[in-house]
Amino acid sequence: KQEVTQIPAALSVPEGENLVLNCSFTDSAIYNLQWFRQDPGKGLTSLLLIQSSQREQTSGRLNASLDKSSGRSTLYIAASQPGDSATYLCAAPGTTSGGSNYKLTFGKGTLLTVNP
Amino acid sequence: KAGVTQTPRYLIKTRGQQVTLSCSPISGHRSVSWYQQTPGQGLQFLFEYFSETQRNKGNFPGRFSGRQFSNSRSEMNVSTLELGDSALYLCASSPQGGNQPQHFGDGTRLSIL
Repeated sequence: KQEVTQIPAALSVPEGENLVLNCSFTDSAIYNLQWFRQDPGKGLTSLLLIQSSQREQTSGRLNASLDKSSGRSTLYIAASQPGDSATYLCAAPGTTSGGSNYKLTFGKGTLLTVNP
Repeated sequence: KAGVTQTPRYLIKTRGQQVTLSCSPISGHRSVSWYQQTPGQGLQFLFEYFSETQRNKGNFPGRFSGRQFSNSRSEMNVSTLELGDSALYLCASSPQGGNQPQHFGDGTRLSIL
C-alpha cells in the first residue's frame, strides 16, 4: 500500500527566498509522481509530472526531482513570490484492492506562505 | 480546450438526504476519478470510471456510488448523508486513466447540517 508523506506541514518564508518542499513515498514501483498546487477553496492545479525514467522536471521557477531508490521527491521553488502562497501536494500512483495502479495517493500537503 | 467542470460548486444538505454531484471531463478524456478531501483525512480516492464501467474503487461505504455516461460525463451519488460526509469532492479526468497525469476540476463543496 502506497503511503505519501510531506514535510514540512507548513512553511513561512520572506519574498525572494529559495525553498524546498519534501515528499517521501513507500512504494518505489511508481511510473511517475505529480506535484499539485491548491489555492484555498479551489481544486488542484498540476505543476509538474516526473516520469520514473526522469530525474528532474522544470517549469519556470519550479524544479522537481525524483529519486525512486530512496523514495523521495523534492519541489524547489526559486525566488519565491507572494503569489506562490498555496498548499502544495505531491501524489504517487498507488495500488487499489484490484492491484492496479489506478489511483493517486496524496500527501497531506505543505502550506506555503510567502510574506511580502 | 475546456477543463474539468464540476457542478454545483456548493451544496448544503441535511443528514439523511441524498445528493448527486456532476463532473464533465476534458473533451476526449475517457477516465474519470473521484476524490474526497477533508481536513483530517486529506485526499482519498473514491472510485474511477472508464467507458461507463467502474474500474476501481476505494475504501468507502456503499452509500457512495457513481456512474458514467456514454459522453464520459460522470455523476457521484451519496445516500443517507452523514455529518462526516462534509467535504470537498474533486473529480479528475485523463485520456485513458492508469498512470497518465490527471486533471482536476474545482470541486463541489458539500456541507451537511
